[in-house]
Amino acid sequence: QVQLVQSGAEVKKPGASVKVSCKASGYTFTSYEINWVRQATGQGLEWMGWMNPNSGNTGYAQKFQGRVTMTRNTSISTAYMELTSLRSEDTAVYYCASKNLGLGDAFDIWGQGTMVTVSS
Amino acid sequence: SYELTQPPSVSVSPGQTARITCSGDALPKQYAYWYQQKPGQAPVVVIYKDSERPSGIPERFSGSSSGTTVTLTISGVQAEDEAEYHCQSADSSGTYWVFGGGTKLTVL
Repeated sequence: QVQLVQSGAEVKKPGASVKVSCKASGYTFTSYEINWVRQATGQGLEWMGWMNPNSGNTGYAQKFQGRVTMTRNTSISTAYMELTSLRSEDTAVYYCASKNLGLGDAFDIWGQGTMVTVSS
Repeated sequence: SYELTQPPSVSVSPGQTARITCSGDALPKQYAYWYQQKPGQAPVVVIYKDSERPSGIPERFSGSSSGTTVTLTISGVQAEDEAEYHCQSADSSGTYWVFGGGTKLTVL
C-alpha cells in the first residue's frame, strides 16, 4: 500500500542541525510532490515547504528560508528535510506528506511523524 | 503573512450538528481543505476542494464556502468524531500553504 515511513526521534542541542528522512513505498516516488509540516505539542499544523521529487525543485515558507533544506535520493525513494541552527522553539513533531490520491492539492498520505526535541 | 482563523473549540452533544468555521481573505480564490487529527496520529483529509469528500469518509462530513469563510459541518456527530480539525488553504498567489490554528471538537 501507499505509505511514507519516517526516521526515528531525535534529540538535539541548540544550534545543532537535524535531518529527517521520509521513505516512500507503494507508488512512483518521483510522481508526487512531498511537503513537510510540523506541529509543536498542543499547537496547530505549520507548513514548512515542498519538494518536487522528480526535478528537485523546492519552495520554502518564509519563516524557514535560510534554515531549511529539502532534498531527495530517488534511487531509494527517500525525501529529506534538514533544519539548521535549532532552537527550543523547533521542538515539534515533523511530518512529511504527499499529494497522491488525486484529491486536488490535499495532503492525502502522511508519514507517522518524527519527534525532534531541542534541549541543552 | 497570510492567516486562517478558526475557533479554538466547539462542543456538541451526540447526534447534534457541529459547524467549524475557517476565515481567510484569500478563500474566495483558493480551495480549502479540512483534516481530522486524533491524539498521537497524523492528520487525515476529510474534505478537499471546499466541499468534496474522499471515499471512506462518512457522509455526515460536508464542507461549504461563502466569501471569506469556509465551514466544515458534521451532521449527527458521533463520539468517534471528537478530534482536532484543521483547515488549510493557499495564499492569494498560490505560492504558500497555510493552516488554521485548529479547532478542538468535543462531543459532550
